[in-house]
Amino acid sequence: RKEVEQDPGPFNVPEGATVAFNCTYSNSASQSFFWYRQDCRKEPKLLMSVYSSGNEDGRFTAQLNRASQYISLLIRDSKLSDSATYLCVVNPNYGQNFVFGPGTRLSVLP
Amino acid sequence: DTEVTQTPKHLVMGMTNKKSLKCEQHMGHRAMYWYKQKAKKPPELMFVYSYEKLSINESVPSRFSPECPNSSLLNLHLHALQPEDSALYLCASSSDLYSFALAGGRGSYEQYFGPGTRLTVT
Repeated sequence: RKEVEQDPGPFNVPEGATVAFNCTYSNSASQSFFWYRQDCRKEPKLLMSVYSSGNEDGRFTAQLNRASQYISLLIRDSKLSDSATYLCVVNPNYGQNFVFGPGTRLSVLP
Repeated sequence: DTEVTQTPKHLVMGMTNKKSLKCEQHMGHRAMYWYKQKAKKPPELMFVYSYEKLSINESVPSRFSPECPNSSLLNLHLHALQPEDSALYLCASSSDLYSFALAGGRGSYEQYFGPGTRLTVT
């Protein structure tokens, strides 16, 4: 089993839709969780950190379920500019090894 | 300021060339990283430096040689590369474990990425 797995995608949604991505991790000792977005041919940019039970930032909500070892990202009222690849990143035990999921591609259509 | 800078943006090199990639950050981060990313794949960790010492080497071939001259700079020296080494090379930095633990687990522990160097080996 891979350390971090994500919904395979791609997700194609209309503008204004709500879309949710899931990410599961295998290391139960993992402590820190992040969502990054990456546009084509650009670097990953931090979208949200998920440190405790979850947090919200505008249209974006991240949830953490430690018992089931998964993290989710909810995007409400999707915009065209939300089109990107969303990367789930897990840091096991506050070490220096940040483990990336394979990413989920989102296309928001007009 | 959460900026990590990388030079050059693009690099084309032959298999016999020697070149270097450079990365700089001024966020006071004591952990710096090199990643390699191929198209449609996530970044793949190569090296981690913590307090200017190499702490992780993910079995990277010796034709890639990292160097951390000081806490703000990270270099990646390239020699005798192969065409399959063509990729986007990303540098990142983050707070280190010690500083984060001292703060009681509060504050920022995220990685911040530079724009990358797109390397083509001919």
